Amino acid sequence: QQPVQSPQAVILREGEDAVINCSSSKALYSVHWYRQKHGEAPVFLMILLKGGEQKGHDKISASFNEKKQQSSLYLTASQLSYSGTYFCGTEPKAGGGADGLTFGKGTHLIIQP
Amino acid sequence: KAGVTQTPRYLIKTRGQQVTLSCSPISGHRSVSWYQQTPGQGLQFLFEYFSETQRNKGNFPGRFSGRQFSNSRSEMNVSTLELGDSALYLCASSATGGTFYEQYFGPGTRLTVT
Repeated sequence: QQPVQSPQAVILREGEDAVINCSSSKALYSVHWYRQKHGEAPVFLMILLKGGEQKGHDKISASFNEKKQQSSLYLTASQLSYSGTYFCGTEPKAGGGADGLTFGKGTHLIIQP
Repeated sequence: KAGVTQTPRYLIKTRGQQVTLSCSPISGHRSVSWYQQTPGQGLQFLFEYFSETQRNKGNFPGRFSGRQFSNSRSEMNVSTLELGDSALYLCASSATGGTFYEQYFGPGTRLTVT
């Protein structure tokens, strides 16, 4: 089942913060985050494996709450280059990491100067 | 290192025809996954190949098939094309596949079925 991402779209001014949420109805083994710019291929941001794990990538970080089957992506002091569509991909716990990724429908992020 | 390459980049086919898409992974990568991307459904997993074996399969009809060669290059085939098969088909490679490794996506093949 596809994870649910929220919000579907968000418009920010440069320098503002954003949070993108990813929620699954299944127990999760891992959560993956990707960003896709218009007309380009998705680009890997990070993988979160363990409950409660947090990771950072420049000014982009994420958390994974295993108990709630949720992950959140945090973009602080957003830059124009952050614009794009953000996808979370989930692996169900039952697969033990051996199943393919199921992606959410994406969150469109627009950063304005 | 060269990135993931996909050929052709654009394709127009007629309903009922079949099509074969090709993907060359990053050198040294043994896992290749295929995805279908549409505006309505987003990114949907088709299948993953690792060392010439299909390891995972998404929820797509049997008209969608794939294979992987000994050099890790992969092809996917769609038979009896339908209008709904129009989409961007992306392949992604990773070092070994599975949870612990990020995937590197190719530019995709834009398939239009008329």
